[in-house]
Amino acid sequence: SQKIEQNSEALNIQEGKTATLTCNYTNYSPAYLQWYRQDPGRGPVFLLLIRENEKEKRKERLKVTFDTTLKQSLFHITASQPADSATYLCALDEPGGSYIPTFGRGTSLIVHP
Amino acid sequence: GAVVSQHPSRVICKSGTSVKIECRSLDFQATTMFWYRQFPKQSLMLMATSNEGSKATYEQGVEKDKFLINHASLTLSTLTVTSAHPEDSSFYICSARETGGQPQHFGDGTRLSIL
Repeated sequence: SQKIEQNSEALNIQEGKTATLTCNYTNYSPAYLQWYRQDPGRGPVFLLLIRENEKEKRKERLKVTFDTTLKQSLFHITASQPADSATYLCALDEPGGSYIPTFGRGTSLIVHP
Repeated sequence: GAVVSQHPSRVICKSGTSVKIECRSLDFQATTMFWYRQFPKQSLMLMATSNEGSKATYEQGVEKDKFLINHASLTLSTLTVTSAHPEDSSFYICSARETGGQPQHFGDGTRLSIL
């Protein structure tokens, strides 16, 4: 089955800097990959979806890249703000067309003012 | 944006009680709904996938007689934890998806505490 690796250590950055989070997977390349934000005690909130034939996707201050050769996705938040502090999860679909997603453990981002 | 409502947000009850959790998609029709369990600082653990009008598909190790799932309409799925025990205490989260290849939209979770 798919193994998803996200850095378990919290990422601490200063306000205004760009935060970069990594999602690596070990097995097959999924048809698409998603990024979610989760705040403590809340359900995840969908941020971006990128398909296997897309190299990059942007939405406001967010940018996602998808490299099927490296089996890696990078998630960037530019001009980060303390309000961006949360846990960010990546999710990949299972093969076979069932679109059953598998989530990584998430990386905690802390933006310091 | 797509909204999923999950109720109740918190339940505290005695061991042996059955607890029902509702998950509703408010502004879209969800052909598929997912139920997850999440432990502190852990990832979402998929419990089951349900498609409207058919039986839920449970993940390995999840007891279907313990966790009853009903997906009776395109906007409502329920999870019933039967005869709950302290080890069932956890954070349960539902999500709904319109079609395959689309993102999931999550409810805000239910914190279940069994005394």
